[in-house]
Amino acid sequence: EAGVAQSPRYKIIEKRQSVAFWCNPISGHATLYWYQQILGQGPKLLIQFQNNGVVDDSQLPKDRFSAERLKGVDSTLKIQPAKLEDSAVYLCASRRWKQGAGANVLTFGAGSRLTVL
Amino acid sequence: GENVEQHPSTLSVQEGDSAVIKCTYSDSASNYFPWYKQELGKRPQLIIDIRSNVGEKKDQRIAVTLNKTAKHFSLHITETQPEDSAVYFCAATFTGGGNKLTFGTGTQLKVEL
Repeated sequence: EAGVAQSPRYKIIEKRQSVAFWCNPISGHATLYWYQQILGQGPKLLIQFQNNGVVDDSQLPKDRFSAERLKGVDSTLKIQPAKLEDSAVYLCASRRWKQGAGANVLTFGAGSRLTVL
Repeated sequence: GENVEQHPSTLSVQEGDSAVIKCTYSDSASNYFPWYKQELGKRPQLIIDIRSNVGEKKDQRIAVTLNKTAKHFSLHITETQPEDSAVYFCAATFTGGGNKLTFGTGTQLKVEL
């Protein structure tokens, strides 16, 4: 099966500018996650979708971050305006929503590396 | 919410030796514990996982042990090879609550020749 696709792979912006990241999960995966990974740290969950509904966005800085998953497939994560501390890799992951072996496995995309100057 | 602590942050071993990475979790409801390997500039990839109804799981040179009472779990790599060099992350979640993984802070493993 094809993996989780993300774009762009790299983005450099000035602080206070905006940026958007796109994710296409594995076909049929109902659950989609956006994680933020700051250099030297573990991934931190920003938002979780189940189909096109938000399951958890408790750690999403809603004053500047937004995300949507229209039609329950692709998702976009937007940052506006960006701050220096937003420099990180933004990882998208997906998981199928079924019981049985492998149902809990998250598959990650290659990530989008953001540098805010 | 869940909190996962991971030790050590860096680990250097000689090729052929064993490596052990330890994690503790805070939420006694957590019941699924995966381990991810992340090579430099690449995505995290699942290498092994364990559920709370099992105390140990092994896959070739990799094994994971779980102590539910103490709320800690460990990754064991035997006969280490240079290609094992990477950052390893443990994670924990309660699969009945949305399955959102909480990750540890990572262990940089270096296998020296």
